[in-house]
Amino acid sequence: EAQVTQNPRYLITVTGKKLTVTCSQNMNHEYMSWYRQDPGLGLRQIYYSMNVEVTDKGDVPEGYKVSRKEKRNFPLILESPSPNQTSLYFCASCQDRTTDTQYFGPGTRLTVL
Amino acid sequence: KQEVTQIPAALSVPEGENLVLNCSFTDSAIYNLQWFRQDPGKGLTSLLLIQSSQREQTSGRLNASLDKSSGRSTLYIAASQPGDSATYLCAVKTGDYKLSFGAGTTVTVRA
Repeated sequence: EAQVTQNPRYLITVTGKKLTVTCSQNMNHEYMSWYRQDPGLGLRQIYYSMNVEVTDKGDVPEGYKVSRKEKRNFPLILESPSPNQTSLYFCASCQDRTTDTQYFGPGTRLTVL
Repeated sequence: KQEVTQIPAALSVPEGENLVLNCSFTDSAIYNLQWFRQDPGKGLTSLLLIQSSQREQTSGRLNASLDKSSGRSTLYIAASQPGDSATYLCAVKTGDYKLSFGAGTTVTVRA
């Protein structure tokens, strides 16, 4: 089954404790991205990747890092999480950057205390 | 910067009524527009994708129109059912893999 998976689905952590949210897709898509969703603000793009070892900032990249060492994986790293990073996070992928449908993962709900 | 607006923010209708959801965007230079459905605590499910060269797309009870020049799209859901209750998001793709989302319309269909 074609899908985007994320882990963990739920995470509660404390300020300053480094964490990684994994994202993997099995569709051989070139393009992957991370979004955060906050009430009243909609989804905002954090980072995106056009291929292996090619990443760029989205609208809200501060406090986040990403890497793309393999085509299927695109982890999101929070080196020193803060309470304002409490949010619902989504990973997405697509094959063609202009015309293709975006496929989204199930989301990761992160709470930073 | 692309701004995407969805009106209304929430909508409640009796079962069987047709739904009309609106989406507007400020920059008409888009590649495509996509409508998504989001259930509480769940991910996004793609409903319809309209390329910039198209005027509408249909899938079952769903029909989406696109007027790129005026920066508008409308999602019609015919004969609504309680199972249609969800939040509906529109998103436009511009530039290099740039997807801009509206805040969504939360729909409640009353049985």
